[in-house]
Amino acid sequence: GQNIDQPTEMTATEGAIVQINCTYQTSGFNGLFWYQQHAGEAPTFLSYNVLDGLEEKGRFSSFLSRSKGYSYLLLKELQMKDSASYLCAPHNTDKLIFGTGTRLQVFP
Amino acid sequence: ETGVTQTPRHLVMGMTNKKSLKCEQHLGHNAMYWYKQSAKKPLELMFVYSLEERVENNSVPSRFSPECPNSSHLFLHLHTLQPEDSALYLCASSQEFPSSGSGETQYFGPGTRLLVL
Repeated sequence: GQNIDQPTEMTATEGAIVQINCTYQTSGFNGLFWYQQHAGEAPTFLSYNVLDGLEEKGRFSSFLSRSKGYSYLLLKELQMKDSASYLCAPHNTDKLIFGTGTRLQVFP
Repeated sequence: ETGVTQTPRHLVMGMTNKKSLKCEQHLGHNAMYWYKQSAKKPLELMFVYSLEERVENNSVPSRFSPECPNSSHLFLHLHTLQPEDSALYLCASSQEFPSSGSGETQYFGPGTRLLVL
């Protein structure tokens, strides 16, 4: 079967660091996407990991461990505008499988 | 702006109405997708088109009928919908389908918020 598990909600303070974890089980695996979705808006692409390890892109970094079926998204120097849902989406042989997302609220 | 546009942005329809959702991508991509997003549920893939051919149909009820006249346009025709069909309908496109690499990166439109009364 296919299963994606990520926390439903998280809260953090402006300027802090937050890590959003995702574990997955999929039939076939090519890589893993992270998307950001503000309320009422379209998901926007953040990162794509194929190989194990950490990929850094500005304030956002994404980590993948293929053997453990585990990924995380790390957000540094949090800003109010980072309040959004973050969707973990493993890419199996021919499609993306989305989780329910983690709703992050950033407080002043 | 992701290069994918959708119209209308909001739609209210009765159960006996017929309406269509439109999606257009300006990215030169070969694949287009329809997703349904209901509150507190994951994005559900409905249909995939690659080079104007339907390659995926995820057990979607026949009251949803997709159409892809060319690689830049995608429609979702709606008829005799049910209240539980109320949701955000998202269109996306990617360079290719299927793909084992970043060519699978999907770019989403802003969505159509549909309410069925």
